[in-house]
Amino acid sequence: GEDVEQSLFLSVREGDSSVINCTYTDSSSTYLYWYKQEPGAGLQLLTYIFSNMDMKQDQRLTVLLNKKDKHLSLRIADTQTGDSAIYFCAVRSYNTDKLIFGTGTRLQVFP
Amino acid sequence: EAGVTQFPSHSVIEKGQTVTLRCDPISGHDNLYWYRRVMGKEIKFLLHFVKESKQDESGMPNNRFLAERTGGTYSTLKVQPAELEDSGVYFCASSLGLNQPQHFGDGTRLSIL
Repeated sequence: GEDVEQSLFLSVREGDSSVINCTYTDSSSTYLYWYKQEPGAGLQLLTYIFSNMDMKQDQRLTVLLNKKDKHLSLRIADTQTGDSAIYFCAVRSYNTDKLIFGTGTRLQVFP
Repeated sequence: EAGVTQFPSHSVIEKGQTVTLRCDPISGHDNLYWYRRVMGKEIKFLLHFVKESKQDESGMPNNRFLAERTGGTYSTLKVQPAELEDSGVYFCASSLGLNQPQHFGDGTRLSIL
């Protein structure tokens, strides 16, 4: 079945850039999403990219998609302490409306 | 605009009891989804409603789980009888249409003792 993998932890200094990586196995994935979960809260949709795009930028967030390598990344510029959270990568295949999630990457930002 | 709301936020019950979770989608969203995250593992899809019809229930773990969406508005997810392995966080999401972004609620944390 489909599989989505992420590293579990990332620690960065405030002001630096963060890069969270995700790999997936389903080559028919159409939409790829990044969700953020703060402690005690639900999943907040951060951004998403369609499979025919290579890059999408939204303020401090940049999403890069390498379809050949099935690799998705989320770059957060000028990382702030408020960015500390768990970040989930999720993909959707063309023939289904369900999302397949990665395990989530816990981002810790230190001063 | 109100987001997806779930009730209760936390439920603690004993093994063998029954629990019903509720989800109110964003107004106007015909698509409603249930997911769950157990034991710190991945968030897994349970099922998908389009209005009141079950579009995809391939993720439902067994017949102890029953989801309904009468009238095509809010949805309930009943677990009867609850087992220890059902503990986890149950998320609901809704979307305006197929291939539209899914917006999630805060989840219901279910603890089975």
